[in-house]
Order: sequence, then C-alpha cells, then structure tokens
Amino acid sequence: AQSVTQLDSQVPVFEEAPVELRCNYSSSVSVYLFWYVQYPNQGLQLLLKYLSGSTLVKGINGFEAEFNKSQTSFHLRKPSVHISDTAEYFCAVSRIQGAQKLVFGQGTRLTINP
Amino acid sequence: EPEVTQTPSHQVTQMGQEVILRCVPISNHLYFYWYRQILGQKVEFLVSFYNNEISEKSEIFDDQFSVERPDGSNFTLKIRSTKLEDSAMYFCASSFGLAGSADTQYFGPGTRLTVL
Repeated sequence: AQSVTQLDSQVPVFEEAPVELRCNYSSSVSVYLFWYVQYPNQGLQLLLKYLSGSTLVKGINGFEAEFNKSQTSFHLRKPSVHISDTAEYFCAVSRIQGAQKLVFGQGTRLTINP
Repeated sequence: EPEVTQTPSHQVTQMGQEVILRCVPISNHLYFYWYRQILGQKVEFLVSFYNNEISEKSEIFDDQFSVERPDGSNFTLKIRSTKLEDSAMYFCASSFGLAGSADTQYFGPGTRLTVL
C-alpha cells in the first residue's frame, strides 16, 4: 500500500518570498509522484508530475519539485510567490504498475500575505 | 479548454435518502474516477471505471455505492441510503487512458454533500 504525508497543514508566507511545501511518501513498489493545486471553489489541477529521469521537475506557475528517492520525498518549491498562489496543495502518488488511482496527502494550505 | 463538470455543486439530503451525483467527463476520455474528501481529511479514492465496468474500488465503496455511465456523456455516483458519515466533498475525475504512463487525471470542481 502507498501513503503520503504532507508535513505542514498550513504555510503562511509573505509575497515574493520563497516557499517549500514538504511531502514524504511510503510505498513498497515504484510510484509516480504528483502535485495538485486547488484554488477556492475549483477542482484539483495538476501542477507537475515525476515519472522518471531528472529528479528536478518543473511545473506550471513557476513551481518545481525535487524527487529524492533515498529520503522518499517530493518537496514542492517556488522561489518567489504571488498572492494568486494562495490555494490548497496536494501531494499524491500512484503505482507504476496496475490501476492508476491516486493516493493523496492531507493537503497544505498556502496563504500569501502582502 | 475542456473540463470536467459536476452537478449539483451542493446537495443537502436527509439520512436514509438516495442521492445521485452527476459528472460530465472530458469527451474523449476513457477512464473515470470518483474521490471524496471528508472535511479536514485526505482526498480518498472511491472507484475507477473503464469500458463500462468498475476497474478498481476501495473498501469505502460498499454496497451502498454504485456508479453508472447511463449515456455517452454522464458518469454518476449513487448512494442508496445516505449516512451522516457520507457528508463530504465528492470529486469526479477523468483521464484519457494512456496505459502505464501516469495518465493525468482531470478533476471536476466537486459536489459538497451534506447529510442531515
């Protein structure tokens, strides 16, 4: 079975500051890794995903994430945040083999203060 | 840009009543999913659906739940006799179906179900 832990339920940050949202996962099999974002009153939108290859993955809106196999982590970063980045961020995994269901972390609410 | 739509956005029902949550997946997608999020908890997988049958379901998806693709566009989740603990946000998702390549799932905005 797979599990995902997002270490911070809320992260307040000032505008233009850097941010890191932490994600650790556990799995007995190889997995793909994802970050989704949910803006208020909207569905979940894919930010980026790691399948294989380079451990640094770039996504939309200036976000990037780094896969660290030894640490079983997939932390999300942005060097300079904007007010519009205020949202809930979800880390998720899915098995490489078999069904593609997503297993989510509990989410991190990112609040950007002016 | 194509998107997944869900109706209603908010459903209030009495315990024991049947509810049907509706979703319109992206038109050329072949895989369909339901997830739910109880307030303050994780988004949880309920069921996946492909080629007119369930391909995987979680332990949450018991006999009270069913899914259907009644026509070429809708994908529904039925809860036969709702319980208080069914109160949650229900998300529909769809994907094109690229086997073995971490096909991106596109999510709808969700239906908030409140059981009184």
